[in-house]
Amino acid sequence: EVQLVESGGGLVKPGGSLRLSCAASGFTFSSYSMNWVRQAPGKGLEWVSSISFSTSYIYYADSVKGRFTVSRDNAKNSLYLQMNSLRAEDTAVYYCARDHCNGGSCYAGIDYWGQGTLVTVSS
Amino acid sequence: SFELTQPPSVSVSPGQTARITCSGDALPKQYAYWYQQKPGQAPVLVIYKDSERPSGIPERFSGSSSGTTVTLTISGVQTEDEADYYCQSADSSNTYVFGTGTKVTVL
Repeated sequence: EVQLVESGGGLVKPGGSLRLSCAASGFTFSSYSMNWVRQAPGKGLEWVSSISFSTSYIYYADSVKGRFTVSRDNAKNSLYLQMNSLRAEDTAVYYCARDHCNGGSCYAGIDYWGQGTLVTVSS
Repeated sequence: SFELTQPPSVSVSPGQTARITCSGDALPKQYAYWYQQKPGQAPVLVIYKDSERPSGIPERFSGSSSGTTVTLTISGVQTEDEADYYCQSADSSNTYVFGTGTKVTVL
């Protein structure tokens, strides 16, 4: 069974930093691109970042570029999101999510999501 | 990047058919995905690659595509289908985009 478990959320002051982690199990983590997606309270889903299985390709939403850094450790089956210079508008539930692969091909979509971790940026 | 536009809400009676549209200029070039999200829960994939249904998703969920619009259809809506639904696609620079979301209310 695919499991994605996020941790590291909490309350942080504006301008502060936080590092989110995602522990993956139930699949070959090193074969999948992974994503971070966030959802502000009462709002819709917003894609944050993607990282390919080999870390060769990394992408960010314009809203976090230059402040957030995604990384992964395939030996530890773990995905990370380092968030710096946090703003009130970064307050959201952050989801770890796996790219969809089927029949040997992978696509620009998500098939599994974690339960999310809440990040609150407030003074 | 581009935008994906969905109606804010759809209301339907139990047993009837709900159709949720998602419109965007990039949709003819990229596959669309659909997710269901119930309050306090993570999203769940219900349709991938425009019209494919993952195992475990009821047959009443189907997807279709025509030009710049993709549609999620729920046939024979049940009370447990009340949720928010989001479409998602990607642009040529591998930026993922989510639709604005549609709240389905089962009357």
